[in-house]
Amino acid sequence: AQRVTQPEKLLSVFKGAPVELKCNYSYSGSPELFWYVQYSRQRLQLLLRHISRESIKGFTADLNKGETSFHLKKPFAQEEDSAMYYCALNSGSARQLTFGSGTQLTVLP
Amino acid sequence: DAGVTQSPTHLIKTRGQQVTLRCSPKSGHDTVSWYQQALGQGPQFIFQYYEEEERQRGNFPDRFSGHQFPNYSSELNVNALLLGDSALYLCASSFAGSKNIQYFGAGTRLSVL
Repeated sequence: AQRVTQPEKLLSVFKGAPVELKCNYSYSGSPELFWYVQYSRQRLQLLLRHISRESIKGFTADLNKGETSFHLKKPFAQEEDSAMYYCALNSGSARQLTFGSGTQLTVLP
Repeated sequence: DAGVTQSPTHLIKTRGQQVTLRCSPKSGHDTVSWYQQALGQGPQFIFQYYEEEERQRGNFPDRFSGHQFPNYSSELNVNALLLGDSALYLCASSFAGSKNIQYFGAGTRLSVL
């Protein structure tokens, strides 16, 4: 069975500091990983996916199959990055997303 | 494009009742997935509909059922409501050829008393 673990429920950093949100997964096959973000009073929206290898709003995430991790990183956090972040896994043909429990990021001024 | 729309936004029911939640997918999308999000948890997959059929189902009892209409909109039905069914119910739509990029609605908040 697939599982996604986000060990930090809450994370606070100061503006301009680096931030890393941790995500570990458990899946025997070839996973497809996503990061979703939910800003205050807004709906859940896709931030980035590992297949694209893109940087969105300064965030990047690298899939590490050896460590089964997909940590989200940003070198200089901004106050507008404060939000709930969810890591999610799509197990190939299953077409269903398995979400972690989320990390609430607060960027302090 | 209004994106994914869900109705109603809030709902209060009592134990044992039945409820129907509705979802209209984003324009051009043909696949609808439903998720349950309990307080403090991530969304949990209930099931997915494509071509008016349930294509995938998560670990939810048969009390949870759904339907997809020819216009791709969808309903989620929950029978014999339990207190534990209180949650935010999210609908997500996608296009079958889009490599599972799902777009989420704002959700329906269900409270079971």
